[in-house]
Amino acid sequence: KAGVTQTPRYLIKTRGQQVTLSCSPISGHRSVSWYQQTPGQGLQFLFEYFSETQRNKGNFPGRFSGRQFSNSRSEMNVSTLELGDSALYLCASSLVAGNQPQHFGDGTRLSIL
Amino acid sequence: AQTVTQSQPEMSVQEAETVTLSCTYDTSESDYYLFWYKQPPSRQMILVIRQEAYKQQNATENRFSVNFQKAAKSFSLKISDSQLGDAAMYFCAYRSATGNEKLTFGTGTRLTIIP
Repeated sequence: KAGVTQTPRYLIKTRGQQVTLSCSPISGHRSVSWYQQTPGQGLQFLFEYFSETQRNKGNFPGRFSGRQFSNSRSEMNVSTLELGDSALYLCASSLVAGNQPQHFGDGTRLSIL
Repeated sequence: AQTVTQSQPEMSVQEAETVTLSCTYDTSESDYYLFWYKQPPSRQMILVIRQEAYKQQNATENRFSVNFQKAAKSFSLKISDSQLGDAAMYFCAYRSATGNEKLTFGTGTRLTIIP
């Protein structure tokens, strides 16, 4: 069974641009969550999507948005990029059944110049 | 809001020895799940072990076991017979049982294995 796939693995952007990151969950997983990982703030929850609906959202500005498609694939968009948006963005998928854990992808390393 | 605290930024252990990583959490909920994830330099987060709060029995997965103290809100990870491949960042994480998948992570413990 293929794992969680995130593309691209690395991305370099400049301030003010926008970026879209993609996440394909494990087959059969309907929940996709996104996390931002930085040395200063650690791992922070961005949002969760389940059946194409945002079910939960972390404390991030409106520049961060996401969506989920009918095949459970998810995209995350960041507009008007700032230097502080440089981070590893991790996507995780899960079955949403009791104690089933989230399975993570390899992440997208976003660098803002 | 729930919080997770890992008070040991770094730990080291001799190969084949045992090490315990600490984690405490704060919550007003009675039903939840706790996880330990490891993140090697390859950066993928890998599930190590999970614990349901309603279970009194401590979870065990091969060389990994937990000491779950619900009243004390403590969830430590014990690694026995440490191996070089265990070197990684270890994150403790909390998830509510109320129907969303949000994980709240601790700040992590970097584990070094000394050959």
